[in-house]
Order: sequence, then structure tokens, then C-alpha cells
Amino acid sequence: DADVTQTPRNRITKTGKRIMLECSQTKGHDRMYWYRQDPGLGLRLIYYSFDVKDINKGEISDGYSVSRQAQAKFSLSLESAIPNQTALYFCATSDAGTANYGYTFGSGTRLTVV
Amino acid sequence: DAKTTQPPSMDCAEGRAANLPCNHSTISGNEYVYWYRQIHSQGPQYIIHGLKNNETNEMASLIITEDRKSSTLILPHATLRDTAVYYCIVRVQSNTGKLIFGQGTTLQVKP
Repeated sequence: DADVTQTPRNRITKTGKRIMLECSQTKGHDRMYWYRQDPGLGLRLIYYSFDVKDINKGEISDGYSVSRQAQAKFSLSLESAIPNQTALYFCATSDAGTANYGYTFGSGTRLTVV
Repeated sequence: DAKTTQPPSMDCAEGRAANLPCNHSTISGNEYVYWYRQIHSQGPQYIIHGLKNNETNEMASLIITEDRKSSTLILPHATLRDTAVYYCIVRVQSNTGKLIFGQGTTLQVKP
């Protein structure tokens, strides 16, 4: 099983619909992140969480919300999807407890809003 | 935040060494340099990181200049499977620990 699992892998939804992307991890890491990637561009940070009670906005949080249900689970919601939220979404984790802040990424969710 | 500059694209012949440069002239003293790669829309994969000494692991070597203003990622024997976008990232100097991605270098390994 993958260390960081994202569901669904692919999703097509209509404008105005609410959609949730889910992420779970078996790394035991405290920190979790949601990024989006648009074609030909690098990754941009949407939200990040240091623990269950700590949620922080990233570079592009407008139109998104998150929920950290447990240490291992971090969900991203689009309350009312719009076409320019069509992108590839990645969840990532990192360990704050050591000097190595290496990240582990999931395989991504490809979201299309029509 | 320290900014990085990488060439947008590079080619390398299969079996040869691939040397990917990165400039980070505003890096702070305790900021690490990280390298990740992304193979065709998969999740980015950690390669290597370093502070000021050269580093080597099973995937690559990282050479950091003495003034720390630039670094080079070396893939010693590139294969076709190394074709990817390579990101040089300087870790944000704060408690957030978040990685800020730039545009990266698209490395094309050719037969």
C-alpha cells in the first residue's frame, strides 16, 4: 500500500457542485499539505496542517476548505466548484520531528470542473 | 524566502551524467537545498538534500558551492526513466516547513 493515498484518482464534476478530495497516510507524519498543479506550472500550496488542531492557509486558499479529521487524514473541499479549479491536486506529508524535512507525496487527484 | 533559478529545459544522452544547475543566491545560513523530481504528472519524488557539504545517495549527488549560492544535482548515469521535471527548492526558513516549488528544469534523456 502507498504511504500517502489520495481518493479519487480522477473526478469530473459540474460547476457549482461541492466536492471533497481525501488523503490518508501511513507515515505517521504530523504535517500534511494540499497542493494544486496547473498544466506546465509548478505546485502551489493551498492549505497545510501541523496537527489535528492546526490548520493554515497557503498561497491560494480562496474557494477551498480543509478538514484534518485525524493525524492520518486530511481532506480538501471545494464548496462550489468552478472551472478554473480544474487541476491536478496533490497531498503531501512531512515529519517535523527530525532535521530532514523530506516530503512524501500522493499520486494525485485529477479534477475536472465542467 | 530564498528564490531559486533553474534552466527551463536540458537534454542528456542516455548513460551519460546529467548535471542540473540551480542558483539560490539569497539563501540563508540555515536553509537547506532540496531536490525533487516529477515524472509525468506523478507525485513529486524526493531525491536529495543538503546544507553545505556535498551529498550522495543511491539516486544522485548534490554539489553545493562554498558560498552556497548555487548547487548542482548530478545523475551519474542517466536513463530514459530519469526523464522528468526536476525542482530545486530552498526550504522556507520558518516553522511552517512548507516547500515552495518553482518552475523546475525539464530533463529529457535521449537514447
